[in-house]
Amino acid sequence: KNEVEQSPQNLTAQEGEFITINCSYSVGISALHWLQQHPGGGIVSLFMLSSGKKKHGRLIATINIQEKHSSLHITASHPRDSAVYICAVGETSYDKVIFGPGTSLSVIP
Amino acid sequence: DAGITQSPRYKITETGRQVTLMCHQTWSHSYMFWYRQDLGHGLRLIYYSAAADITDKGEVPDGYVVSRSKTENFPLTLESATRSQTSVYFCASSKGDRGFSGANVLTFGAGSRLTVL
Repeated sequence: KNEVEQSPQNLTAQEGEFITINCSYSVGISALHWLQQHPGGGIVSLFMLSSGKKKHGRLIATINIQEKHSSLHITASHPRDSAVYICAVGETSYDKVIFGPGTSLSVIP
Repeated sequence: DAGITQSPRYKITETGRQVTLMCHQTWSHSYMFWYRQDLGHGLRLIYYSAAADITDKGEVPDGYVVSRSKTENFPLTLESATRSQTSVYFCASSKGDRGFSGANVLTFGAGSRLTVL
């Protein structure tokens, strides 16, 4: 079983839809990261959180430490949101960052 | 300009040649990382460094060498490139003031696409 799992693996949405990407992990963590990577592009940090909820524009990230689960929500999705979204955790036992496999999002006009 | 820069962005080399990928950051971040990204594998850690003169192996270190004589630079060298090292390489850094490498925002370079023929 992978230490960081994401669902769904692939997601296609119509412009304007509300999108949720899920991340679950099985290790102790210092923080959880949501990253965005556009096709052929670099990797950008969207959020780092260790509790509760953060919001930036149309993006919202939540984390439930007890359930070891995080969600990334995109409201009013837009074609420019099309990218791979990667969940990563700062694991504490071995002090390493573990990346999830990514969720590929395509938003259709 | 402030930030994290990688060079070269694109490199084509031949099997057996030595290649060095450069990474430079201007924030004085303690932690620096080298990852490779391949289809079907996601991001895999090659080496990381917690501070100048401190480096440690990651998940896939074989065939790679790193050094960190200055806080701002973290070069990655492929001593004798192989076709299996064809990949996109990302350098990243984080502040490291919270005791864990993953406890601060990760900042990535733009990536270096390496092709080994």
